[in-house]
Amino acid sequence: DAGVTQSPTHLIKTRGQQVTLRCSPKSGHDTVSWYQQALGQGPQFIFQYYEEEERQRGNFPDRFSGHQFPNYSSELNVNALLLGDSALYLCASSLVQGANTGELFFGEGSRLTVL
Amino acid sequence: GDSVTQMEGPVTLSEEAFLTINCTYTATGYPSLFWYVQYPGEGLQLLLKATKADDKGSNKGFEATYRKETTSFHLEKGSVQVSDSAVYFCALSDRRFSGGYNKLIFGAGTRLAVHP
Repeated sequence: DAGVTQSPTHLIKTRGQQVTLRCSPKSGHDTVSWYQQALGQGPQFIFQYYEEEERQRGNFPDRFSGHQFPNYSSELNVNALLLGDSALYLCASSLVQGANTGELFFGEGSRLTVL
Repeated sequence: GDSVTQMEGPVTLSEEAFLTINCTYTATGYPSLFWYVQYPGEGLQLLLKATKADDKGSNKGFEATYRKETTSFHLEKGSVQVSDSAVYFCALSDRRFSGGYNKLIFGAGTRLAVHP
C-alpha cells in the first residue's frame, strides 16, 4: 500500500519564478492538505482540498494556489517566489469521513530553495 | 486564534532515561490533541492522540494525557532508546469546521537526541 508520495524531493528556484509541487495521496484517501515547514519550525497549514475544491485556507497570500484532480492527487503552485518561500512543503492525506481524528498521513516533503 | 506551545529543544538524554516534553495549547472549544514524530529523512508520523479531556494516548511506550484544566498534553516515556531520536511535534485539530476537515495546528517541535 503506497503512502503519500511527493515530487520533486528537492528543487532550487530564483526569486520571481513559479513552482509546481505534486502529491499523490495514500490509497483510498480523498482529502489532501498542504503545509509549509520553515527550518526549525512546525508545519503551517496552507490549504486543504476535497472533491476538487479548496475547503479551508490558512494565512497564506494568493500567490499560493492549488488544485485537486479527479484521482485525488493534488498540486501546489507558488507564483512570484520570494526568498521567504524557502521551506519544506508537506502534503498530507486523510479521509474526510475520519472527522476529527486528525490522523493525517504525511509525505516526505518537497524542499524548495529560493535564491 | 488556536495555538500550541512546546518546550524548546534540543533535549539530550542518555539511553534509558525518563523523557518529558511539555506541550500546552490555547483553543476555542474542545480540540483533539496529537503528538507527531519526524525521524531524520522521513515524513511526519502520528505517534499518539487523545480526543477528549482525561483521555490518555499511548504508543511505542510513549504516553500523553489530555488535561483540560491545565490545557496541557505532555509527552512522556519511561525509558528512551537511541532510536527515539527525532523531532516531536504537538498539535491540535480545529474541530470548529464542518465536514470533518482535519486542519492541524502544530507547535514548533522539540528535537530529542538520545545517546548510548
